[in-house]
Amino acid sequence: KAGVTQTPRYLIKTRGQQVTLSCSPISGHRSVSWYQQTPGQGLQFLFEYFSETQRNKGNFPGRFSGRQFSNSRSEMNVSTLELGDSALYLCASSSSGTSFKQYFGPGTRLTVT
Amino acid sequence: EDKVVQSPLSLVVHEGDTVTLNCSYEVTNFRSLLWYKQEKKAPTFLFMLTSSGIEKKSGRLSSILDKKELFSILNITATQTGDSAVYLCAVDRLTQGGSEKLVFGKGTKLTVNP
Repeated sequence: KAGVTQTPRYLIKTRGQQVTLSCSPISGHRSVSWYQQTPGQGLQFLFEYFSETQRNKGNFPGRFSGRQFSNSRSEMNVSTLELGDSALYLCASSSSGTSFKQYFGPGTRLTVT
Repeated sequence: EDKVVQSPLSLVVHEGDTVTLNCSYEVTNFRSLLWYKQEKKAPTFLFMLTSSGIEKKSGRLSSILDKKELFSILNITATQTGDSAVYLCAVDRLTQGGSEKLVFGKGTKLTVNP
């Protein structure tokens, strides 16, 4: 089985722009979670989607949004980028949403200049 | 507010040493505690602990949970350079809506020198 894939792997954007990141889960997995990882804050939960519905949301501003398609692929969007949004964005998929069975993708490294 | 605290934040040892990584937590509706290893990008799952006092073991790695004192330790014996990584502790908790959520610590960066 192919693992979780994320595109693009690296991205450089300018402050004020918006960005869309993509995550393709393992085939058959219906739950996709997104995390932001920075050196200062560590890994922080953004949101989880299950069968196209957002089930859970972390404490991030409304500039961070996401969606999930019928094939379980998920996108995350960040609008009006700020320097502090520079981070590694990880997505993880699981079959049922049970957290411990999550499989992580390689991440997208976003740099905001 | 949910809190997961790992210590130390970084550790440098020599091959063959034994290390103990610590994780303490304060969360509501605790379900389980998980350990991950992150080498380059994607964290990989190591252990899940739900019951107090029962050691989970995998080769040179072992972990135990104390639900009364709200902490867990991850032990690595006879360390090798390949053990160099960031070790993440996460707590799985139930949200008010009934779904699950992982709260991560900031990680311990382990460097094993030859």
